[in-house]
This record gives sequence, structure tokens and C-alpha cells, in this order.
Amino acid sequence: NAGVTQTPKFQVLKTGQSMTLQCAQDMNHNSMYWYRQDPGMGLRLIYYSASEGTTDKGEVPNGYNVSRLNKREFSLRLESAAPSQTSVYFCASRTPRPNNYGYTFGSGTRLTVV
Amino acid sequence: DQQVKQNSPSLSVQEGRISILNCDYTNSMFDYFLWYKKYPAEGPTFLISISSIKDKNEDGRFTVFLNKSAKHLSLHIVPSQPGDSAVYFCAASTRAGGTSYGKLTFGQGTILTVHP
Repeated sequence: NAGVTQTPKFQVLKTGQSMTLQCAQDMNHNSMYWYRQDPGMGLRLIYYSASEGTTDKGEVPNGYNVSRLNKREFSLRLESAAPSQTSVYFCASRTPRPNNYGYTFGSGTRLTVV
Repeated sequence: DQQVKQNSPSLSVQEGRISILNCDYTNSMFDYFLWYKKYPAEGPTFLISISSIKDKNEDGRFTVFLNKSAKHLSLHIVPSQPGDSAVYFCAASTRAGGTSYGKLTFGQGTILTVHP
């Protein structure tokens, strides 16, 4: 089925460990996004990529890096995980104009840093 | 600074009655608004949207109302069904160019529970 695929679905890290969250979309969307969801905070934008080859910081970029590997794939890397990065991470891609500007989200990665 | 706020963390309604979810925003540059629905262990899914040139948009049981002067929007679900139980996120965007283009700013979410 067409959509956004995220891997892994669950991950437990020790403080200081690194990992990469993978995201791929097969809808030929130009723009891709990484959000984190925390209780009482809603969804906050970490990084986004307006098109292949470009990336920009969002609202909460500290402690993260991203790579737009090609049009399909947008990865999020935690170089040295901290307990504050315990969260649910969502990748999304966006429908091109002139449609509804809505995002298609992946099913999320639940990350726990101990 | 929370630019999009959903001040009610939760809402409980009886099946068949109306559910009203509220959202306030502070950024006057926002000109497009969306509601997303999220079930546990799933990603948010798009529900309904409204442009700032309208004050109402309807899709089946779901209606979104926008009051630009008050910077307030609401989602009405009539009649509410148990399957509507989920977290609802309000989101806003500006369709102007520049670095804000296409980015959505989300509210904190409201947990809706519809009792049979």
C-alpha cells in the first residue's frame, strides 16, 4: 500500500548511544518532515526537507541530524541519545500544491532512552 | 510560545450527541487549518481542513468552523460514534512563500471518548 514507512517501530537506547530512524515514502512527494510527539506538547517539528537535497531546522532540532538520501528517503539520526529524547517520532510527507496541504504520516517510532 | 492551542486535554460525550473540539491560534499569518485524528499506535490521519477565506467546511458528520477575528476554530462531530474515540490535533499553516511554506504547527491534542 502507498504511504509512509518508518523503521523501527520500537527502540530502547542507553544514554549516549546513537541510532538512525528510517523513513521512506512511495507517493513521489517532494517535502518530508520529522516530528516528535510528547504528552501535553502535541507534535513538534524537528527537521524538514522541502525537496531532495535540502534540509532545514524546525522547532526542536537540537540533538538531531537528518539526511535526505533521495526523494523517497529521509532519515533522522540521534548521535548521542539523552533521556529527554524519549518520545514518539513521526515522519510525514506532504501532498504537493494545489491540494489540501495535508500530511501523510507514518505509524511512528516509539523511542525510550534510559 | 504555543502558537496553536487546544485548551481541553480531554472530552467525553455520549454516542449520538455532538462533540465540539476547540482550537485557538495566535499567529495571524496562518491561513490554512487542518484537523487530524490519531488512534493509539498509529500515525495521525487527515480529517478535514479549512481555508481562511471560508468560515465553514463540512464533510459528512464533520464540520469545521473558523472565526478569524477571534482566531478560533472548532470541529463539530454529529452524531458522535464510539469509533470516533481518538486524539484530535488541530494544525495550522501559512501558504505564503518563504521558510514557513508548507510547515504545519500542531496543537497539544484533545482526547475524545465517545461512550456507547
